[in-house]
Amino acid sequence: EVQLVQSGPEVKKPGESLKISCRGSGYSFSTSWTGWVRHMPGKGLEWVGIIYPYDSDTKYSPSFQGRVTISADRSINTAFLQWSSLMTSDSAMYFCARHVNPVTNGYYPDYWGQGTPVTVSS
Amino acid sequence: DIQMTQSPSSLSASVGDRVTITCRASQGINEYLAWYQQRPGRAPRLLIYGASFLQSGVPSRFSGSGSGTDFTLTISSLQPEDVATYYCQKYNSAPITFGQGTRLEIK
Repeated sequence: EVQLVQSGPEVKKPGESLKISCRGSGYSFSTSWTGWVRHMPGKGLEWVGIIYPYDSDTKYSPSFQGRVTISADRSINTAFLQWSSLMTSDSAMYFCARHVNPVTNGYYPDYWGQGTPVTVSS
Repeated sequence: DIQMTQSPSSLSASVGDRVTITCRASQGINEYLAWYQQRPGRAPRLLIYGASFLQSGVPSRFSGSGSGTDFTLTISSLQPEDVATYYCQKYNSAPITFGQGTRLEIK
């Protein structure tokens, strides 16, 4: 059974750093794309980016490029999303998801984690 | 970037009704379109990929159609558990883009 289990809720102050995680099981984590999707309260879904753990190939949405870093550790089947300096506007639910790659440079999420709520407030 | 526009933004229907949600791409995306259901407080769930292929485990009352720029998601007989927000998503090329969502309620 494919499962993605995310780390727990986070409460941080503006300017602090943060790294959240997503552990995959039940499939070949290293050779599957894993990515992140943001869901802000009352808003729609926004794609953040993805990583291919085998060679760490990473792709970002232009809206998030430079604001976050996606990484992965193949040895523990875990992907990460991190911020070096949080802003209040980063407050949201963040979902990780395994992505299918049926066409060159095209991806869609098929299995999702349960979500990690991130609250940034002074 | 290609924009995805869904309509309506929200709708209310009765149990047993046939419900249709549309999604329009600002440029042609062939059939590289997926649909998701997000129940309140839950993670999204893949319903349809390739515009018309039903994901394993999804009830057969859900169906998808379309190609190019115009797509539809249809629920043939609305059930109470279908209360959710539905999103389309294009994946012909990065970056992935979602529609703004359609909120479905029961009358």
